[in-house]
Amino acid sequence: GENVEQHPSTLSVQEGDSAVIKCTYSDSASNYFPWYKQELGKGPQLIIDIRSNVGEKKDQRIAVTLNKTAKHFSLHITETQPEDSAVYFCAAVKAQKLVFGQGTRLTINP
Amino acid sequence: DGGITQSPKYLFRKEGQNVTLSCEQNLNHDAMYWYRQDPGQGLRLIYYSQIVNDFQKGDIAEGYSVSREKKESFPLTVTSAQKNPTAFYLCASSPGQGKVTQYFGPGTRLLVL
Repeated sequence: GENVEQHPSTLSVQEGDSAVIKCTYSDSASNYFPWYKQELGKGPQLIIDIRSNVGEKKDQRIAVTLNKTAKHFSLHITETQPEDSAVYFCAAVKAQKLVFGQGTRLTINP
Repeated sequence: DGGITQSPKYLFRKEGQNVTLSCEQNLNHDAMYWYRQDPGQGLRLIYYSQIVNDFQKGDIAEGYSVSREKKESFPLTVTSAQKNPTAFYLCASSPGQGKVTQYFGPGTRLLVL
């Protein structure tokens, strides 16, 4: 089955700096890669996603890159703000089933 | 207002008791999912349903049961066989028919008395 590894588990950056979270997946048949943001005590919220036929996607301050050959994908947040502090999860989808990474706790320091 | 609702927000279970968590969606989605989240960990799939009156076990189905009698509803029962039920339970739905993006509800936190 699919296995998703996510790094780092915690990340602390200064407000205004960039943050990068990386994930690797094991099953080359996975074809859809969403990223979720989870605030304390709430359900995960989809923030960006990418399909396997695309190498990069951007939405304002958030971007995701995908390297199918190496089987890894990354989330990039630029110009970080205090409200970006949360836990971020990557996931890989195969046959409509999501497999999640372990999460990254991102803290933005003022 | 479209979305996924879960109730209750907090639920307490006594020893040997079965409890049922509610999940309702008005998004007209075909597929629904239940996940368990333990502190500091990712989400693990309990059960999922791609169509009414059909559901499949996920990775950690033991001690849980579900039903899917209506498209809008996918309740999860945590049975007394689940020896470590304390967790945050999340319900999700996706449109189905090839559209796989999953949208999550607000979650139910289950605590054992």
